[in-house]
Amino acid sequence: LAKTTQPISMDSYEGQEVNITCSHNNIATNDYITWYQQFPSQGPRFIIQGYKTKVTNEVASLFIPADRKSSTLSLPRVSLSDTAVYYCLVLMDSSYKLIFGSGTRLLVRP
Amino acid sequence: DADVTQTPRNRITKTGKRIMLECSQTKGHDRMYWYRQDPGLGLRLIYYSFDVKDINKGEISDGYSVSRQAQAKFSLSLESAIPNQTALYFCATSGHRVTDGYTFGSGTRLTVV
Repeated sequence: LAKTTQPISMDSYEGQEVNITCSHNNIATNDYITWYQQFPSQGPRFIIQGYKTKVTNEVASLFIPADRKSSTLSLPRVSLSDTAVYYCLVLMDSSYKLIFGSGTRLLVRP
Repeated sequence: DADVTQTPRNRITKTGKRIMLECSQTKGHDRMYWYRQDPGLGLRLIYYSFDVKDINKGEISDGYSVSRQAQAKFSLSLESAIPNQTALYFCATSGHRVTDGYTFGSGTRLTVV
């Protein structure tokens, strides 16, 4: 299973774009890149997933370069409510479990 | 109503007591999971079940047991609680394609004194 590395914490201000990069050098051909968001005292919430290039939904965008050894979660114009821990995971479609690292703790300031 | 409901939300229990955490889901999925989260850390898998007759140990199953009473219900038991089982416990469910995403409950905060 691919190991992921992401910053421990990030600070931002309301209205800014936030980019969180995750490294996954050992990603395999069948692996997908998935991001979860966790608010304090709540369960993680699936936010976005991709295999290559760019994926966008109503919450975020995910950028994946051609070599797929890293990915960047982009949160446009963050608000205070985006303060959370963001986890990058790499998993195969046939996987049954999620392996969480420590995530990136994002603090959005007024 | 939440897709995944966990009860209780908070519980304080004494060392040596048996305690059960309950989970029910309305997603109609076959797969259910129990995870544990310690402060500042990611989640670790305790047990998982792919259907009513299937139970599997995760990476930290010692001291825990589970019961899959129905497709929608999956309970976690601590046979004899100890203080280092103090943690936040999450139940989750997923479809057969894990890439479709997990749905987690809101968690049970358990304190063993």
